Amino acid sequence: GAVVSQHPSRVICKSGTSVKIECRSLDFQATTMFWYRQFPKQSLMLMATSNEGSKATYEQGVEKDKFLINHASLTLSTLTVTSAHPEDSSFYICSARDFRTVGYEQYFGPGTRLTVT
Amino acid sequence: AQKVTQAQTEISVVEKEDVTLDCVYETRDTTYYLFWYKQPPSGELVFLIRRNSFDEQNEISGRYSWNFQKSTSSFNFTITASQVVDSAVYFCALGGGRRALTFGSGTRLQVQP
Repeated sequence: GAVVSQHPSRVICKSGTSVKIECRSLDFQATTMFWYRQFPKQSLMLMATSNEGSKATYEQGVEKDKFLINHASLTLSTLTVTSAHPEDSSFYICSARDFRTVGYEQYFGPGTRLTVT
Repeated sequence: AQKVTQAQTEISVVEKEDVTLDCVYETRDTTYYLFWYKQPPSGELVFLIRRNSFDEQNEISGRYSWNFQKSTSSFNFTITASQVVDSAVYFCALGGGRRALTFGSGTRLQVQP
């Protein structure tokens, strides 16, 4: 299957700072990527849908000014957590959709574990 | 709205026992996909299976098997002769195609030696 990478895999930052997480599709182009968040011992919840060349669509309850998403190319989407606080500590996972495949298969990145101190 | 229910929060079995993880879903879509993922402690999701709503054939892959029943909106997952390495959280998910995935709450499986 196709490969999706995320960088960094782990990040620790201080409260009030911003953190950028990258999601890359390595061997295919992805016009759509999805960002999920997973709190400890909970399920994955969709945060936003990232479309190349247009604004992201955020799920209800997700602050778009706090979680900035940029999908500037067909292989890269970035999620910036601005003015991070301890409650933003979570596991962030992206997925990329391969429109060439039947049913537009989605491939998940390995995730980024964010800890805000 | 789409919904996935995994009623079993945690299951503990002894090695070599068979175990079934339940998944019930709700959707108004006529075409949809169902998935199972394994999440070990590292956090990375491991893809296990994707099933199209038009394909109700059960599937077997080694010790894993899946039972898809559209009539009861269920997509259950059975591990035969469980092993310690099967210990993980397992997620059932619904969606795919143009949609993002909707995940169930997960079932934590512990296989004791």
